[in-house]
Amino acid sequence: QKEVEQNSGPLSVPEGAIASLNCTYSDRGSQSFFWYRQYSGKSPELIMSIYSNGDKEDGRFTAQLNKASQYVSLLIRDSQPSDSATYLCAVSLSGGYNKLIFGAGTRLAVHP
Amino acid sequence: DTAVSQTPKYLVTQMGNDKSIKCEQNLGHDTMYWYKQDSKKFLKIMFSYNNKELIINETVPNRFSPKSPDKAHLNLHINSLELGDSAVYFCASSQDPTVEQYFGPGTRLTVT
Repeated sequence: QKEVEQNSGPLSVPEGAIASLNCTYSDRGSQSFFWYRQYSGKSPELIMSIYSNGDKEDGRFTAQLNKASQYVSLLIRDSQPSDSATYLCAVSLSGGYNKLIFGAGTRLAVHP
Repeated sequence: DTAVSQTPKYLVTQMGNDKSIKCEQNLGHDTMYWYKQDSKKFLKIMFSYNNKELIINETVPNRFSPKSPDKAHLNLHINSLELGDSAVYFCASSQDPTVEQYFGPGTRLTVT
């Protein structure tokens, strides 16, 4: 079973809409969760980190964490064409150092 | 510019050769990582050093050998390159092993 799962997409949303990206993970002891954005041919760029249950907002981005359901999501409000990228969910495994396990990523396409 | 930097950006070489990739960070971080992103865009941890000590050593061929001369540098040496080693290799760093990681620009390795 994959440790971090994401829908590969593409997720297509119109400009100005809310994009909702989802991620589930298998390690119940995971404590740290991250969303990265990766443009084609570029390196992953950290967007959000979240460590406790609930919502965390930063500008147009909101991360949501539900440890009981082993679920983390990223909402992008007022989506822009420049948000078109692959979004990677990363989860740290319990039991030691911050070994991040990445999902395969969800490709987001925002069309004008 | 404060950042994680890697050299070279592109590396094209023949099977059987030995090559090195260098990484430097000027963020003052204690922990550095090497990741491999294959053609399917799956990002996977290879190694991690914390204060020059190896803390994560994933199941990779022993042809891959990391070396950390100091906290700001983590190099990756690859012996007897194979076709399957073709990928993008990312260096990353973090303040400590439990928090956000920041990625370098990547080195695209092509083995012919």
